[in-house]
Amino acid sequence: KQEVTQIPAALSVPEGENLVLNCSFTDSAIYNLQWFRQDPGKGLTSLLLIQSSQREQTSGRLNASLDKSSGRSTLYIAASQPGDSATYLCAVSGTGNQFYFGTGTSLTVIP
Amino acid sequence: NAGVMQNPRHLVRRRGQEARLRCSPMKGHSHVYWYRQLPEEGLKFMVYLQKENIIDESGMPKERFSAEFPKEGPSILRIQQVVRGDSAAYFCASSPPRDRDEQYFGPGTRLTVT
Repeated sequence: KQEVTQIPAALSVPEGENLVLNCSFTDSAIYNLQWFRQDPGKGLTSLLLIQSSQREQTSGRLNASLDKSSGRSTLYIAASQPGDSATYLCAVSGTGNQFYFGTGTSLTVIP
Repeated sequence: NAGVMQNPRHLVRRRGQEARLRCSPMKGHSHVYWYRQLPEEGLKFMVYLQKENIIDESGMPKERFSAEFPKEGPSILRIQQVVRGDSAAYFCASSPPRDRDEQYFGPGTRLTVT
């Protein structure tokens, strides 16, 4: 059974810092990996989707990498802003119909 | 094009009552997924439905929980005889017919059982 772990559970950084969020998964037979953002009381917003054949995806200040063989992904956020404060979720999909989610990293960017 | 709609956004039920959570997928989406997020835990898959069909219910508790997606109208997640442990955020996602990985999530329904 797929297990997804995210480290750290919480992170607090001053505005302008670059930061890295980590995600690891136990079963490397995945179709893709997604990073989501969850704001308090809101739904999930997809940030980046990496197909299993890809190594990384970029969108603006965000860059996500995938190393399927080692079961790891990182989300890099450049020049962090207070508006980036949210919980970031990593999810992988495999042969089934579901996403397997990590428990998230709660990010606070201090102005 | 409105996003995935869920209602109610907040629901309070006493132990033993029934809870009905509704999800309207995005226009053109015929696949619906329900996930549950317990306090301090990650989202866990519950069930995957297409119109009038349950495709995968491997994540559904065996008792008291049921889901449907009728030909007309929203998908319904029904919890009978709720208990305190059912308190959680329930999220619905929808996807277009040919890309199940393109799941769009609703804002969730936060169920509190008192």
